[in-house]
Amino acid sequence: ETGVTQSPTHLIKTRGQQVTLRCSSQSGHNTVSWYQQALGQGPQFIFQYYREEENGRGNFPPRFSGLQFPNYSSELNVNALELDDSALYLCASSLGGAEGNQPQHFGDGTRLSIL
Amino acid sequence: QQQVKQSPQSLIVQKGGISIINCAYENTAFDYFPWYQQFPGKGPALLIAIRPDVSEKKEGRFTISFNKSAKQFSLHIMDSQPGDSATYFCAAISETSGSRLTFGEGTQLTVNP
Repeated sequence: ETGVTQSPTHLIKTRGQQVTLRCSSQSGHNTVSWYQQALGQGPQFIFQYYREEENGRGNFPPRFSGLQFPNYSSELNVNALELDDSALYLCASSLGGAEGNQPQHFGDGTRLSIL
Repeated sequence: QQQVKQSPQSLIVQKGGISIINCAYENTAFDYFPWYQQFPGKGPALLIAIRPDVSEKKEGRFTISFNKSAKQFSLHIMDSQPGDSATYFCAAISETSGSRLTFGEGTQLTVNP
C-alpha cells in the first residue's frame, strides 16, 4: 500500500511569486485535505477535495486554490506569495463518503520558504 | 478561534514514566478525536483515535481517556521511551464540518534515558 507522497519536499520563493504543490493520495483514498503548519503550531485546515470537488474551506484567502484529478491526486496553488506563507504544507488523504469520518493520513509535507 | 486547547506545551519525562497530555474542546458537534505524533521533518502520523461513545481506548502503551460531559480528553503514554520523544497533537472533527481536522497547538515530549 503506497502512502501519501508530496512534492517537492522543499521550495524557496520570493514575495509575489506563485507556487504549485503536489500530492498523491494513499491507494484507495478519494479525499484529499490540505493543511498549513507554521513553525511551532498545529496544522490549520486550508481546504478539502472529494471526488474532484471542493468540499469545505478554512479561513484562507482566495489566492489559495486547489485541484483534484480523476486519480484523486491533488494540487495546491498559492498566488501572490507573502512572507507569512512560509510554512510546512501538509496533504492528508482519507476515504470519504457515506461512511462518515475516516482516519486522515498525512504526507511529510512541502517546506515552503518565502524570501 | 482556538476550538481545541492542548496542554502542556512541553513535557519532560524520565524513561519508564507516564506521559500525560490533555485537551479540551468547545464544539459539541465534534464526534471523532484522533491523536497524531510528529517527528521533526515528518508529517503527523495517526497514533490512536476515539469516538465519544466510549470513555477509554487502549492500544499498546497508548491510552485515550475521554470525558464527554467535561469536553476533555487526554493521551497517556505508559512506560515512556526515548523513541517517544516527538510532538503530539490532539485533534477533533465533526461530520458536519466536512471532515476538517481541528488541531491543538501541540505538546513537545522529551523522554530522558
